[in-house]
Amino acid sequence: ELKVEQNPLFLSMQEGKNYTIYCNYSTTSDRLYWYRQDPGKSLESLFVLLSNGAVKQEGRLMASLDTKARLSTLHITAAVHDLSATYFCAVGVLTGGAQKLVFGQGTRLTINP
Amino acid sequence: EAQVTQNPRYLITVTGKKLTVTCSQNMNHEYMSWYRQDPGLGLRQIYYSMNVEVTDKGDVPEGYKVSRKEKRNFPLILESPSPNQTSLYFCASSLWWHRGGRFSYNEQFFGPGTRLTVL
Repeated sequence: ELKVEQNPLFLSMQEGKNYTIYCNYSTTSDRLYWYRQDPGKSLESLFVLLSNGAVKQEGRLMASLDTKARLSTLHITAAVHDLSATYFCAVGVLTGGAQKLVFGQGTRLTINP
Repeated sequence: EAQVTQNPRYLITVTGKKLTVTCSQNMNHEYMSWYRQDPGLGLRQIYYSMNVEVTDKGDVPEGYKVSRKEKRNFPLILESPSPNQTSLYFCASSLWWHRGGRFSYNEQFFGPGTRLTVL
């Protein structure tokens, strides 16, 4: 059974600091997705990583994928309050052509002024 | 506007009273899926559908049914709801394609969520 674990689950940080959220998964996959969820809202797609070594950046967020280590990271640079949210990674698993997303538990990020 | 819509957004019901949560997407996506979100557990897949008339179980299908009679709609049916089905439910859709022996998917787009309480 595929397990996806995020670390840390809760993160409180100050504006201007850098930090990294880690996403480890237990079986082979080359498809990883990062989502953001604001309180009471739906999930918004941030990044799609589809190969080993993939790196994508959008503003202060950068995501990478190491399929050999079964690890993805979401790096936050010079955090600002607007980035406060819960971040989920999700691993895509193919079975007979159908893709299932298996989600991590989420990392609740709070950025303080 | 490209979107996934769900109805109702909030529902309080009683044990055993059948209910349906509708999901519709206007992006012509073949793939649709239902998830439930519970604190500390992330999102877990209930059912998914690769295309019209093709559905399959996800990780937590017990107590749920789905149907896919049209491409745009994917309703979730709870025939006899129980309190352990109290949760936040999300519908999602995405494109997929098959080329060169490889299945590819873009990201899943999520609906706004349905908060269900079963008393």
